[in-house]
Amino acid sequence: QVQLQESGPGLVQPSGTLSLTCVVSGGSISSSTWWSWVRQPPGKGLEWIGEIYQSGSTNYNPSLKSRVTISVDKSKNQFSLNLSSVTAADTALYYCARLEYYYNSRDHYSLYYVDHWGQGTLVTVSS
Amino acid sequence: DIQMTQSPPSLSASVGDRVTITCRASQAIRNDLGWYQQKPGKAPKSLIYAASSLYSGVPSRFSGSGSGTEFTLTISNLQPEDFATYYCLQHNSYPRTFGQGTLVEIK
Repeated sequence: QVQLQESGPGLVQPSGTLSLTCVVSGGSISSSTWWSWVRQPPGKGLEWIGEIYQSGSTNYNPSLKSRVTISVDKSKNQFSLNLSSVTAADTALYYCARLEYYYNSRDHYSLYYVDHWGQGTLVTVSS
Repeated sequence: DIQMTQSPPSLSASVGDRVTITCRASQAIRNDLGWYQQKPGKAPKSLIYAASSLYSGVPSRFSGSGSGTEFTLTISNLQPEDFATYYCLQHNSYPRTFGQGTLVEIK
């Protein structure tokens, strides 16, 4: 059973860079799938940040793209999120997640769906 | 971006009730939709993928349907542990987008 665990500073200064790591256990980050970051401001809904394939290919939310970098470290079986120039609006619970491959045999196409989630880590942006 | 509109934003129901939550996409997304349950203070839990397929371990009282732009999550025989917030997520195109969530409360 794959498990995901986020870690990183709980407090970040405004205009600084938020850096989080997600350690994968019970599975290999080199498996043919995507790994994702999702966040949730206090009392609000979920927002997709972006994701990375084991090869290093990435997709980012355009609303954050200029500030986001997601990377993979295969030697440590983990992937990371960097979000620069943070403001109070970036205060949120940050979740990492794994996506699972799915093949639609009726219509003959494949997709990836979020199946496993980390427990989340709260990051507060404040001086 | 594809907008996902969930309704209702919240509902009150009793144990044993049948509950239906709707998610509408701003454009057709085939059946590329997942449903997720989130309890207070907890991470989301994956319930359904491809609009209607249950993940292993998800009780059969949960069901999903729909294709194109309209999707539903139905919980039959609502149980105390089902009181939570439910989100849809479209997997059809980037950026992935969530619905705003539906809070299922105890009546």
